[in-house]
Parts: sequence; C-alpha cells; structure tokens
Amino acid sequence: SQQGEEDPQALSIQEGENATMNCSYKTSINNLQWYRQNSGRGLVHLILIRSNEREKHSGRLRVTLDTSKKSSSLLITASRAADTASYFCATDDRGSTLGRLYFGRGTQLTVWP
Amino acid sequence: DAGITQSPRHKVTETGTPVTLRCHQTENHRYMYWYRQDPGHGLRLIHYSYGVKDTDKGEVSDGYSVSRSKTEDFLLTLESATSSQTSVYFCAISQGGGYQPQHFGDGTRLSIL
Repeated sequence: SQQGEEDPQALSIQEGENATMNCSYKTSINNLQWYRQNSGRGLVHLILIRSNEREKHSGRLRVTLDTSKKSSSLLITASRAADTASYFCATDDRGSTLGRLYFGRGTQLTVWP
Repeated sequence: DAGITQSPRHKVTETGTPVTLRCHQTENHRYMYWYRQDPGHGLRLIHYSYGVKDTDKGEVSDGYSVSRSKTEDFLLTLESATSSQTSVYFCAISQGGGYQPQHFGDGTRLSIL
C-alpha cells in the first residue's frame, strides 16, 4: 500500500510554539499534499509539493519533501489555538494522473492558549 | 469554499437496506471522489470519476457502486448495507486530477444498525 504514515499520532503544544509533523510513504509519487481537518468537518487543502520540489512555504506553513527517504514534514510556526485540528498527508501514484490519493491516519494537533 | 454539497448529512438505517449518498458540485470540476473515514484508518478511496460516466474503483470498493450521469452529481450506493459500512463518507472534487488539490464536502455520517 502507498498509504502515508504521519508521526507523531498526537502533538500538544502551547500557543506561539512551532509544531512539526512528519509523513513517510512507500512508493514513488508525483506529488504529496497536506490537509487539515477540524472536528466534524471535511478536509481542507494546505499545500501541494511536487516530487521535484524540496521545500514550499505558505504563510506560517513550511513543507519539505525528501524523495530519497520517502518522507515529508509540515512545520507550523507560531502556532495558534485555531490551528488545533488533525493534519493528514496524502500521496498519489507515480504512474497516474487521475488523482487517486492515499491518506495517512493523521496527526492530532492541540494548541493550548 | 468550493461548492460541494453532500446529502444527507446524517443517516441511520438497518442492515440489508439500500442506501444512496449524493454529492453535488457547482464548480464544474471533472474529477470526483468518494472516501470513507474510519478511526485508525484515515481516509480510504472507495470510487472515483474522471468524467461523466467514467468511473473506477478505489482501495475499498467492495459493496459499493457509483454513478455519474452529469458533471455535477456523483452518487454512491450501498446495495445492501452492512454494519461494517458504518462510517463517515466524504466526497471530494478536483479540477485537474493528480496535479491539483482536492476540495472536500463536510461529509455524511452513516450508521447501519
């Protein structure tokens, strides 16, 4: 299975601290995506990083990708209570353009005021 | 937010009954996906569509069928519901398949007694 695996499963920090989540996957990809899910809601797309990219930024988010290690990390800087959510990485199939995604089980981030 | 509506939002039914979930989009996106989300498994792809009447199976397609007769609607049918199909079901849409992010609806919580 291509399914990504996030680490840690749960992370608890104070507001203002940085949060780092990691994702590992098994087979070659076209791109890797990170999503956020607030309780009771659908997933919201955060960042898409292509296999030929090593780092990407969006506001307080920084994503890195190491295809040689088949791993990615998501860094949220200066965390806020509103960042409390589950975060998922999703990978695709290298040989497909149809958008079949494989999600990990997610990291539950709790940011305390 | 992307225009995605899932209906119903909640449903309780009995084992052996047929169930149809509807996903409606107003974005005119070509690609549509059905996922289920279960504790400990993250999101898993059930079926997806890459155009009107063009559908294919995902990771966990057994016991499910889909139909897409027009761009805006993607139906998921459980022909004879089983308790193992109790889950939260999410629909997602994408403009460009594997190279574009997916946008998710808010889910349907389905309980099969």
